[in-house]
Amino acid sequence: DTEVTQTPKHLVMGMTNKKSLKCEQHMGHRAMYWYKQKAKKPPELMFVYSYEKLSINESVPSRFSPECPNSSLLNLHLHALQPEDSALYLCASSQDPPNEQYFGPGTRLTVT
Amino acid sequence: EDQVTQSPEALRLQEGESSSLNCSYTVSGLRGLFWYRQDPGKGPEFLFTLYSAGEEKEKERLKATLTKKESFLHITAPKPEDSATYLCAVGSYGGSQGNLIFGKGTKLSVKP
Repeated sequence: DTEVTQTPKHLVMGMTNKKSLKCEQHMGHRAMYWYKQKAKKPPELMFVYSYEKLSINESVPSRFSPECPNSSLLNLHLHALQPEDSALYLCASSQDPPNEQYFGPGTRLTVT
Repeated sequence: EDQVTQSPEALRLQEGESSSLNCSYTVSGLRGLFWYRQDPGKGPEFLFTLYSAGEEKEKERLKATLTKKESFLHITAPKPEDSATYLCAVGSYGGSQGNLIFGKGTKLSVKP
């Protein structure tokens, strides 16, 4: 099974809201990732967790806060977002050390 | 600096018309080269991993090859359902662990 699940599929939020994106994998992978993808652009890495510890934070604004409760779950907490944060947010996982990454279906986020 | 360039940006084919997509890369030690397929509004779907020059992988109408400077994704007798954006990504021993460098993708359209 090479499935990564993400919820919700779509999210509309105002600039003062707090919301969370969730990601889950049951492939036994020990590395999990958050990406942001704008239209007609490749995915852009935001965070990497390795063995439940944050190992890479690609200079992401503090209004994005990641959390890895256990090796199968990854959350992205959102607060005080801007309209330019509207994008497709992708979760991925891989073995550690990393080879191919398996992506979830994404959450389409719209900030109004 | 590690870099990935895909060409062409867009490719229009007639059903059955075979062609190739190119991915040129410059990395400080190739850990792996990865091909993904992405449909609009969805997460990238993993296709192939290539590790060393001369390696080839096949899946249905797709065949990926690798040299020391580039990779090709050959599409034989494509069908309309092969229409998608194809992304190439590389992992480098010189970069941050887990960090894939993506090309901008090739948007493939196959007309019946």
